[in-house]
Amino acid sequence: NAGVTQTPKFQVLKTGQSMTLQCAQDMNHNSMYWYRQDPGMGLRLIYYSASEGTTDKGEVPNGYNVSRLNKREFSLRLESAAPSQTSVYFCASSVVGDEQYFGPGTRLTVT
Amino acid sequence: QKEVEQNSGPLSVPEGAIASLNCTYSDRGSQSFFWYRQYSGKSPELIMFIYSNGDKEDGRFTAQLNKASQYVSLLIRDSQPSDSATYLCAVSGEAAGNKLTFGGGTRVLVKP
Repeated sequence: NAGVTQTPKFQVLKTGQSMTLQCAQDMNHNSMYWYRQDPGMGLRLIYYSASEGTTDKGEVPNGYNVSRLNKREFSLRLESAAPSQTSVYFCASSVVGDEQYFGPGTRLTVT
Repeated sequence: QKEVEQNSGPLSVPEGAIASLNCTYSDRGSQSFFWYRQYSGKSPELIMFIYSNGDKEDGRFTAQLNKASQYVSLLIRDSQPSDSATYLCAVSGEAAGNKLTFGGGTRVLVKP
C-alpha cells in the first residue's frame, strides 16, 4: 500500500515548455487534489476532483489543466510553463472532502 | 483577513516542555479541523483531526476546539527535538465547498 505517489520528484523546465505531473493513489479514495506550496503563501488549491469524472477549479487554476483519468489517477498539466509556476506541487486524496493524505511532492523550477 | 490564520513563529520550546500552537478561522460554519505536521522538504502529514468542541488527545498531542471563539489549538506535551517542524492548521466548511483551507503554518523549534 503505497498511499499517494507522484512523479517526477524534481523537474526543471524552460519558459514555454509543457509537462504533466502524475499522481496516483491506492487507497480507493473518491476525491483528489492538486496544491502548490510557495514560501510565505502556504498551501493553495489549484484544482480538485470530488469524484471520478468531475474536476473543479480551486484558488489558483490559471495556467494549469487537470485530467481525472480514473479513480486512481489525477494528472496536472502545465501547457506553457512560466517562472511564476516555480513551486512545490503536492497531490492529495481523501474519501470525501475531509482527511486528506498527501503525496511526496514534485519540486518544479521554471527558468 | 486570511480565512485561516496562524502565527508563523518560530516557536522555540525547550525539550520536555509543552508547545502550544493556535489557529483562528473566519468561517463560522466550519465543521472539520485538522493539524498537519510538515518536516522541511517533506509533504504534510496528518496528525490530528477534531470535529466537536472540547479536547481530543492522541498520545502527546491534544487538539482543542472552541467554535464560539473560532479557534483551534494544538498542544504538544513532552516536546522532543523530532517535533521540530512546521505545523499546518486546516479547516473545512460549507463556505469552501467542504474543501480544506490551510493556514500558513507555525514553525516549531524544540531545543535540547
